[in-house]
Amino acid sequence: DAKTTQPPSMDCAEGRAANLPCNHSTISGNEYVYWYRQIHSQGPQYIIHGLKNNETNEMASLIITEDRKSSTLILPHATLRDTAVYYCIAAMDSSYKLIFGSGTRLLVRP
Amino acid sequence: DTAVSQTPKYLVTQMGNDKSIKCEQNLGHDTMYWYKQDSKKFLKIMFSYNNKELIINETVPNRFSPKSPDKAHLNLHINSLELGDSAVYFCASSLGDVGEQYFGPGTRLTVT
Repeated sequence: DAKTTQPPSMDCAEGRAANLPCNHSTISGNEYVYWYRQIHSQGPQYIIHGLKNNETNEMASLIITEDRKSSTLILPHATLRDTAVYYCIAAMDSSYKLIFGSGTRLLVRP
Repeated sequence: DTAVSQTPKYLVTQMGNDKSIKCEQNLGHDTMYWYKQDSKKFLKIMFSYNNKELIINETVPNRFSPKSPDKAHLNLHINSLELGDSAVYFCASSLGDVGEQYFGPGTRLTVT
């Protein structure tokens, strides 16, 4: 599975959009980009995933560059409850595992 | 209803003891996992089971033995506990081999 690189920490103001970047320059054609988050002491929570196209669900939007070497997770209106560690993971559907990196610690400020 | 549940939530035990952690999912998934999160917060896959069969064992010591009595349960038995086993253990499940996994609340194991 391809390695991903994320900034160690970010912050944003409550109510504003949070844009979390991820680099995955060695991603292969059949690897998806997954985003998870872990709120303090809880189990990781699936957010969204995509292969080539941009994706949106009730939690977030995922923007993947055309060359697929990077992506951005967008939380459109961040709340205090979005404070968490966000993980970007590149994985094939057949891999039966997720390899978590160190993630980005997002702090949403009041 | 809790989708993926684990018991116990906390487990404190002494070195050398044997303990088990139970995991159950009511999502109808056929794949289950165990992950370990150490004190530095790194989350690592330990085992993956699909339809009760072991698919992945990420070089976990033999003291760790997962058991899957049915597709809804994946228990983790640990023999001869060591200080380094102290961590939070997360169970997860998915439908097939996809990366959309649902995690349990975790079991914090402390070995003294």
